[in-house]
Amino acid sequence: ELKVEQNPLFLSMQEGKNYTIYCNYSTTSDRLYWYRQDPGKSLESLFVLLSNGAVKQEGRLMASLDTKARLSTLHITAAVHDLSATYFCAVVRSNYQLIWGAGTKLIIKP
Amino acid sequence: DSGVTQTPKHLITATGQRVTLRCSPRSGDLSVYWYQQSLDQGLQFLIQYYNGEERAKGNILERFSAQQFPDLHSELNLSSLELGDSALYFCASSAGTGFAEAFFGQGTRLTVV
Repeated sequence: ELKVEQNPLFLSMQEGKNYTIYCNYSTTSDRLYWYRQDPGKSLESLFVLLSNGAVKQEGRLMASLDTKARLSTLHITAAVHDLSATYFCAVVRSNYQLIWGAGTKLIIKP
Repeated sequence: DSGVTQTPKHLITATGQRVTLRCSPRSGDLSVYWYQQSLDQGLQFLIQYYNGEERAKGNILERFSAQQFPDLHSELNLSSLELGDSALYFCASSAGTGFAEAFFGQGTRLTVV
């Protein structure tokens, strides 16, 4: 059974600091997604990672994928308050279902 | 705006009742996915339809059913509602059968009292 674990589940940090969210998954998958969700809002796609060693960057966020280690990271550089949200990773199962991590609630304090 | 429209945005109903949630996918998208998001279970995949046919099934209860109509909109029917069914229900759509580039609607918040 495919399981997806994120850590930490909660992160409070100061503006300007760097931090990394980790996403581990238990079985082989060929695709991993990162989503952002603001409170009470919908899910916004951030990154799709398709292959080992894939790295994608958008602004202060950078995601990477290591399929051998079954690990993806979402790195936040010089955090700003606007990045406060809950971040989810999700991994595709063979039948196209997405299995979701529990989410990391990120609070960035001014 | 993702282009995926869900109605209603909020729904409050009593236990034992039946409700229908509606989703209109983005123009041109053939796949519709339904998800349930609750505090204790997180995000759970319920079911996927592709061009009117059921494509994949997740953790959908027998009390729940869905369908996709010829115009590609989808409805999720929830019956014999229980307090534990209170959650945010999301619909997502994508062009193909896989989940690549899927876009989520704003969700329907269901409260069962």
